[in-house]
Amino acid sequence: EAGVTQFPSHSVIEKGQTVTLRCDPISGHDNLYWYRRVMGKEIKFLLHFVKESKQDESGMPNNRFLAERTGGTYSTLKVQPAELEDSGVYFCASSQEWGSLYFGPGTRLTVT
Amino acid sequence: AQSVSQHNHHVILSEAASLELGCNYSYGGTVNLFWYVQYPGQHLQLLLKYFSGDPLVKGIKGFEAEFIKSKFSFNLRKPSVQWSDTAEYFCAVMNYGGSQGNLIFGKGTKLSVKP
Repeated sequence: EAGVTQFPSHSVIEKGQTVTLRCDPISGHDNLYWYRRVMGKEIKFLLHFVKESKQDESGMPNNRFLAERTGGTYSTLKVQPAELEDSGVYFCASSQEWGSLYFGPGTRLTVT
Repeated sequence: AQSVSQHNHHVILSEAASLELGCNYSYGGTVNLFWYVQYPGQHLQLLLKYFSGDPLVKGIKGFEAEFIKSKFSFNLRKPSVQWSDTAEYFCAVMNYGGSQGNLIFGKGTKLSVKP
């Protein structure tokens, strides 16, 4: 069974540019989550999809971040325009069973 | 706001030493508790979890954790570490009844095991 995959693994962009991160969950998992770890800090929840609907987006930092999950399959997280403080590792996770999250490898975003 | 505290940022042990990583959380209600591990170059993976029942939980690779409600703690233990246990360990909490997946993580503890 393929795990959660994320693309790209690393992205370096300049402040003001746009970046789109992609997450492919484990097939059949209705729940998809985005988390972020800024260097030296905790891994923090961003949002949670159930199929294509946003269940909880309380962790999204501001309106520069837009997450979508087309057709309840893969998800994208767009940052526009990127700021320096957006640098960090963005993790995606999926689950079917309550409380058992499977994480992807993360996308390391560097904003210069 | 709820938070999770991991007491040690970096722990260095020799092989065969015993391990205990501290985790305390700040939430007075019913919680679900997790330990995740990230081996170098790999994904975060679940080591063990506590939902209810026996407060001593056994996980993969010989790890266990004990939930002590009166101390708001969920410490991770292993009697004898191996070099392959070198990794970063994260304690996490989820409110019972909260949004499924809204995990609150600690800052992580890096464990280095010397061969």
